[in-house]
Amino acid sequence: AQSVTQLGSHVSVSEGALVLLRCNYSSSVPPYLFWYVQYPNQGLQLLLKYTSAATLVKGINGFEAEFKKSETSFHLTKPSAHMSDAAEYFCAVSPYSSASKIIFGSGTRLSIRP
Amino acid sequence: GAVVSQHPSWVICKSGTSVKIECRSLDFQATTMFWYRQFPKQSLMLMATSNEGSKATYEQGVEKDKFLINHASLTLSTLTVTSAHPEDSSFYICSARVQGVSGANVLTFGAGSRLTVL
Repeated sequence: AQSVTQLGSHVSVSEGALVLLRCNYSSSVPPYLFWYVQYPNQGLQLLLKYTSAATLVKGINGFEAEFKKSETSFHLTKPSAHMSDAAEYFCAVSPYSSASKIIFGSGTRLSIRP
Repeated sequence: GAVVSQHPSWVICKSGTSVKIECRSLDFQATTMFWYRQFPKQSLMLMATSNEGSKATYEQGVEKDKFLINHASLTLSTLTVTSAHPEDSSFYICSARVQGVSGANVLTFGAGSRLTVL
């Protein structure tokens, strides 16, 4: 079985500060890992994905995430937060050989202080 | 890129009526679509997997007679909430699986449909 755990349901940072959203996964097989962002009353937008290529994955809007197998982590970072980054962020895992279900974490709400 | 359109984005209905939500893949064919339900400030819960030309696969605890899914074409899946009640009020989101160049399963999501049952 696969699962993801997002530490911290709410993270607040100042504009211009580092953003760090934590995600740990559990998987018995090499996983595909994803970060999605959701703005209010909207669907999810893919930020980035890990597909067993480079461990440091760069995504849209200046976000990146690093796959660390030894720590079973896939934390999302951005060097400098913008007000427009305020949203809900979901980490997700998919089985390596499956073509179906993706399992989402519980989400982390990111707030940006002026 | 791949776009999934969901309609309506907002719907209010009376208790006991049925509501249909459409999910369309605009520029690609989707043999498989997924329907999620999201309660306020919570994650997405997979309700069912919609397969073109065959019956949907429902997750445990989801009433298939309550949430009717039809995937009659390669670009359209519909979710019908039958005899809706206030507890069915929620944000419903669909997604379609797109095969990426690397082979990963990338989901493209619709913008969601907020259902309010009075």
